[in-house]
Amino acid sequence: GAVVSQHPSWVICKSGTSVKIECRSLDFQATTMFWYRQFPKQSLMLMATSNEGSKATYEQGVEKDKFLINHASLTLSTLTVTSAHPEDSSFYICSASFTGRNQPQHFGDGTRLSIL
Amino acid sequence: GENVEQHPSTLSVQEGDSAVIKCTYSDSASNYFPWYKQELGKRPQLIIDIRSNVGEKKDQRIAVTLNKTAKHFSLHITETQPEDSAVYFCAANGQNFVFGPGTRLSVLP
Repeated sequence: GAVVSQHPSWVICKSGTSVKIECRSLDFQATTMFWYRQFPKQSLMLMATSNEGSKATYEQGVEKDKFLINHASLTLSTLTVTSAHPEDSSFYICSASFTGRNQPQHFGDGTRLSIL
Repeated sequence: GENVEQHPSTLSVQEGDSAVIKCTYSDSASNYFPWYKQELGKRPQLIIDIRSNVGEKKDQRIAVTLNKTAKHFSLHITETQPEDSAVYFCAANGQNFVFGPGTRLSVLP
């Protein structure tokens, strides 16, 4: 149980393009999902907390107009990187957990985004 | 907010030896501490976790200890194998999950 699917796994696109990444909880309902960014050889940096049916909570320094998050259902959250530039190139990874603070997070496979 | 430190940043051990990774946290309200293993280019995978009502938990070759008074917890891997080589992250659930900076473990054959 607790499978999280993330799509696409790899995106290469031109500067100025908007890219949408999907995160799905396949066998459980997730009222909360999390979006992380990971640079090479670094830890997971929380970008935002995605709440079903309400606005996402963004971490300090993360531009909410740049990284649009939509959590329209209990099994799907999307992250859209708008007008992407080379500095947005990174590994983006989502996670979901069962309700409650003491629950582990289950991660998707991540999306490697390369902006040319 | 929560701050999680992790040591060492890199660790090399001979196959069969034990490996220990230590983490400290700052938020005394944190009560859940998972450990994740991440292989290159792959998702972090939960390998063991501990809640604050216990001091130690073991699963085959992996164990975690927690000292709530001192606010630190440790991962212990015994009889290490080459496939244990990966980056290991600890985390603590303050207001949000906060991950440590990671430890790159290399098990040398």
